[in-house]
Amino acid sequence: AQTVTQSQPEMSVQEAETVTLSCTYDTSENNYYLFWYKQPPSRQMILVIRQEAYKQQNATENRFSVNFQKAAKSFSLKISDSQLGDTAMYFCALKGGETSGSRLTFGEGTQLTVNP
Amino acid sequence: EPEVTQTPSHQVTQMGQEVILRCVPISNHLYFYWYRQILGQKVEFLVSFYNNEISEKSEIFDDQFSVERPDGSNFTLKIRSTKLEDSAMYFCAGDRGYNSPLHFGNGTRLTVT
Repeated sequence: AQTVTQSQPEMSVQEAETVTLSCTYDTSENNYYLFWYKQPPSRQMILVIRQEAYKQQNATENRFSVNFQKAAKSFSLKISDSQLGDTAMYFCALKGGETSGSRLTFGEGTQLTVNP
Repeated sequence: EPEVTQTPSHQVTQMGQEVILRCVPISNHLYFYWYRQILGQKVEFLVSFYNNEISEKSEIFDDQFSVERPDGSNFTLKIRSTKLEDSAMYFCAGDRGYNSPLHFGNGTRLTVT
């Protein structure tokens, strides 16, 4: 079974500062994919960033970047220059490889609040 | 950019009634999913659908639930006899396979009274 754990239920940051959200996971797969999704108050699920496990280079997407540590099974999200619009629930998610099917396993979520 | 479309956005129903939640996936997607999120909790997998049949389902997806894609366009989730604990946000999603990201619809908020 695959599991995803987010140990920070809530975090806050001042506008323009940097914040890091933590995520750890467990899987027996060698090839898998990791994602961060953002869920604003509208409850829409928005893809923020993805990482392929076979790639050593950390993914970046504008102000968003990840620190992927495969051996430690850690996948943290760094948000630089935080903006008020970044306030949302952030979910870490794992998609297993061919033997685990294509379902997405989510963590519990971290509620991020960006303060002006 | 193509989107996954879900209707209705909010559905209120009485306990014991049948509900059908509808989704129009992105046309070049191959796998289709339903997830649910009870308020304040994490997003849970219900079922995946590929090549016109269920490819995987969770323990939540019992005999009260069914899915179908009757016309190659709409993808529906039916709950036969709703219970209070079925109240949740239901998300439809799709992708092109295990190595591609899921694209979610905006969700249907189901309230069972």
